[in-house]
Amino acid sequence: NAGVTQTPKFRILKIGQSMTLQCAQDMNHNYMYWYRQDPGMGLKLIYYSVGAGITDKGEVPNGYNVSRSTTEDFPLRLELAAPSQTSVYFCASSLYLIPRNDTIYFGEGSWLTVV
Amino acid sequence: TQLLEQSPQFLSIQEGENLTVYCNSSSVFSSLQWYRQEPGEGPVLLVTVVTGGEVKKLKRLTFQFGDARKDSSLHITAAQPGDTGLYLCAGVDTGNQFYFGTGTSLTVIP
Repeated sequence: NAGVTQTPKFRILKIGQSMTLQCAQDMNHNYMYWYRQDPGMGLKLIYYSVGAGITDKGEVPNGYNVSRSTTEDFPLRLELAAPSQTSVYFCASSLYLIPRNDTIYFGEGSWLTVV
Repeated sequence: TQLLEQSPQFLSIQEGENLTVYCNSSSVFSSLQWYRQEPGEGPVLLVTVVTGGEVKKLKRLTFQFGDARKDSSLHITAAQPGDTGLYLCAGVDTGNQFYFGTGTSLTVIP
């Protein structure tokens, strides 16, 4: 019962470095999402994907890129890391794009600090 | 612009007390969900409400969707330390956009 798996769990980056957060789901969901969450706050959508090869911007896409080569994987790339990108990142997936009676399934989060 | 405002942002209460968390918007939502997030984990769905005026109960938690479908509340009776966490509302607006609320961080002191 893996669900949504994210790696790494923790990472410290220097300003200007780049890195990729990995995300995989084994529920055969077409819809996948990347959110960021600042301490004690709600989640803001960075990018989402409705299927392999299709991605779209969310509310806060600047400074990030994504790709979706397979149904299972949805990596998030940070180019030229900035202190403002210090946050907790959550990958998620769902059966429907607009969850109504269904839920969005979240990974456990990736804590990123940019110094 | 934050479409879903939650209040209070932070709440610290003693075990056994009752509390209510609010989720408000000026927009109409076709459905609204409540999630709980424990430290170090992702949010987990508690309930979905879709009908104006709808009330759902989950043990000591009571969820209500406003008649006009612009607001919702979560009431916890006799709070326990295990209720500690971040409570998030999330909704689908009439434009089919899905948003999370600003969050309410609850601490229940034993």
